[in-house]
Amino acid sequence: NAGVMQNPRHLVRRRGQEARLRCSPMKGHSHVYWYRQLPEEGLKFMVYLQKENIIDESGMPKERFSAEFPKEGPSILRIQQVVRGDSAAYFCASSPQSNTEAFFGQGTRLTVV
Amino acid sequence: AQSVTQPDIHITVSEGASLELRCNYSYGATPYLFWYVQSPGQGLQLLLKYFSGDTLVQGIKGFEAEFKRSQSSFNLRKPSVHWSDAAEYFCAVGETYNTNAGKSTFGDGTTLTVKP
Repeated sequence: NAGVMQNPRHLVRRRGQEARLRCSPMKGHSHVYWYRQLPEEGLKFMVYLQKENIIDESGMPKERFSAEFPKEGPSILRIQQVVRGDSAAYFCASSPQSNTEAFFGQGTRLTVV
Repeated sequence: AQSVTQPDIHITVSEGASLELRCNYSYGATPYLFWYVQSPGQGLQLLLKYFSGDTLVQGIKGFEAEFKRSQSSFNLRKPSVHWSDAAEYFCAVGETYNTNAGKSTFGDGTTLTVKP
């Protein structure tokens, strides 16, 4: 059973471009969580999704950020018009149910130049 | 709002010595509690978790943690540290009021250095 797969592992974008980060949860997992880790900091919750539904987006910035988890395919975290402050590691985690621990992917490290 | 405090930003221990990493949390009920380890450039690996029951929890790689409700603490311990344990360690609290274990609040981490 493969773990949580995130791609790309590293992404470089110029200011103003769009960044699309993908997350394929573990097989059988229908709950997906996105976290952001700024340099020298812990992880900060961004959004919690189940298939085709956003359950909790209380940690998402109000503008430029969006997330989806379609019926088919990976979950996508989309950042429009990136700025230098978006440079961070973005982690995805998945779980089979809401009351079990989530398993983390290796992360996508976004650098905005 | 819930919060997690890891008072020690950086700890250095000698190989073979014992280790204790501190974690204090603030939450309105008994939370889900986790310890994760992260090596540079890598993702997070779950070391152990507390959901309920026995307050002394055993994890992987010889780690254990004890939940102390009266102190709102969940300290991580290891009796004898190995050089490969050098990494960053994160304590996290998951939400129980809506049984959302995956939505966690993380501490800022403790970096462990192991001296030969």
